[in-house]
Amino acid sequence: DIRLTQSPSSLSASVGDRVTITCRASDNIGNFLNWYQQKPGKAPNLLISSASDLQSGVPSRFGGSGSGTEFTLTITSLQPEDFATYYCQQSYTTLTFGPGTKVDLK
Amino acid sequence: QVQLQESGPRLVKPSETLSLTCTVSGASITSYYWSWVRQTPGKGLEWIGYIYYSGATNYSPSLKSRVTISLDTSKSQFSLRLNSVTAADTAVYYCAARIVGATSPFVYWGHGTLVTVSS
Repeated sequence: DIRLTQSPSSLSASVGDRVTITCRASDNIGNFLNWYQQKPGKAPNLLISSASDLQSGVPSRFGGSGSGTEFTLTITSLQPEDFATYYCQQSYTTLTFGPGTKVDLK
Repeated sequence: QVQLQESGPRLVKPSETLSLTCTVSGASITSYYWSWVRQTPGKGLEWIGYIYYSGATNYSPSLKSRVTISLDTSKSQFSLRLNSVTAADTAVYYCAARIVGATSPFVYWGHGTLVTVSS
């Protein structure tokens, strides 16, 4: 199985901050990488597919980049509703998720 | 809009079979991989498997020996059976829909249901 790691595992930030989360794959997965946001008690919500395709309705402050083994999710100006946990997920082989990055208020 | 709703027993005894059903509304049953994902504090999000409208299935290798996913197109429902459960199977279980093709992201999710394995 392809393993995904995320860094950092958690971060504290303020409203308006630029936030960057990295997802690394144990092998080349091309662009078969998706990003989700999850709030407590809720199901994950798809933000970005194919490494960089922003889903309809997702604010443009969210962006994704990368290919191969290293991927990045960036939030350009953190908003109060963005405090959540973020997961990457690969679909190149047997589906796996990253361990998550929790973004909380500094 | 597309809605998925899990239903089934919330408490299962060790060694017995966990059974959940997901009812789908607002979506064509032919357009998605109908999937199950579970989440635990210890292991995070874990994909269990999916079924396509053709009946084709694909399961996580780590659970394959214990999992069956089935589809009832007449009722717009798909189901999960996980046998020989242990406490390690205690989790929030989500049903979800993955787009067919491309990078097949999970685009729709149920609310999730906590299933506890305990005697």
